Amino acid sequence: EADIYQTPRYLVIGTGKKITLECSQTMGHDKMYWYQQDPGMELHLIHYSYGVNSTEKGDLSSESTVSRIRTEHFPLTLESARPSHTSQYLCASSESDSHSPLHFGNGTRLTVT
Amino acid sequence: AQKVTQAQTEISVVEKEDVTLDCVYETRDTTYYLFWYKQPPSGELVFLIRRNSFDEQNEISGRYSWNFQKSTSSFNFTITASQVVDSAVYFCALSPGGYQKVTFGTGTKLQVIP
Repeated sequence: EADIYQTPRYLVIGTGKKITLECSQTMGHDKMYWYQQDPGMELHLIHYSYGVNSTEKGDLSSESTVSRIRTEHFPLTLESARPSHTSQYLCASSESDSHSPLHFGNGTRLTVT
Repeated sequence: AQKVTQAQTEISVVEKEDVTLDCVYETRDTTYYLFWYKQPPSGELVFLIRRNSFDEQNEISGRYSWNFQKSTSSFNFTITASQVVDSAVYFCALSPGGYQKVTFGTGTKLQVIP
């Protein structure tokens, strides 16, 4: 049974639309992350959060934004989707202890036409 | 700067063969953690193992075993008697001391052919 949930699982949307990818976890983890995974499999960290009202940009520049108003919820928003945003988006969380393993959701596969 | 190299992009083996996935890392930290994750076709990455830099003991878990060698900065993963269910993308990752951000390798896609 998954403890970290992402919705939708698949999303096909037209250029210019605003979208929000949802991520929720029930483990009470303070730390949450968004990764973008390209077709070549490589994972790129685009956002992370160490707790409520804390968000940081990751290693890969992204036009998306995130918010962390509640511990369990870490949504990612694209104000105006473009075909270049087509990718797999993976949400993860971890315990506060340093170097705890990441728990991943199933991912959202986004296609922008 | 941290770096994780998985030189094998794709590997195909016949069921019941043994297979080793290579992972070489770079870090200037003396304290760090290494991880392996499995990503089956369903898409969710699953944590397999964590190893800290002070523990060079090899680990075996069923058909899986991990060989950590600081001298060569390697953390290789061996699957014995591979099965079709082992088909997945496997990621090696590094978490350096004092940081929570993880550096992932580019992944190795393993295909086990029945």
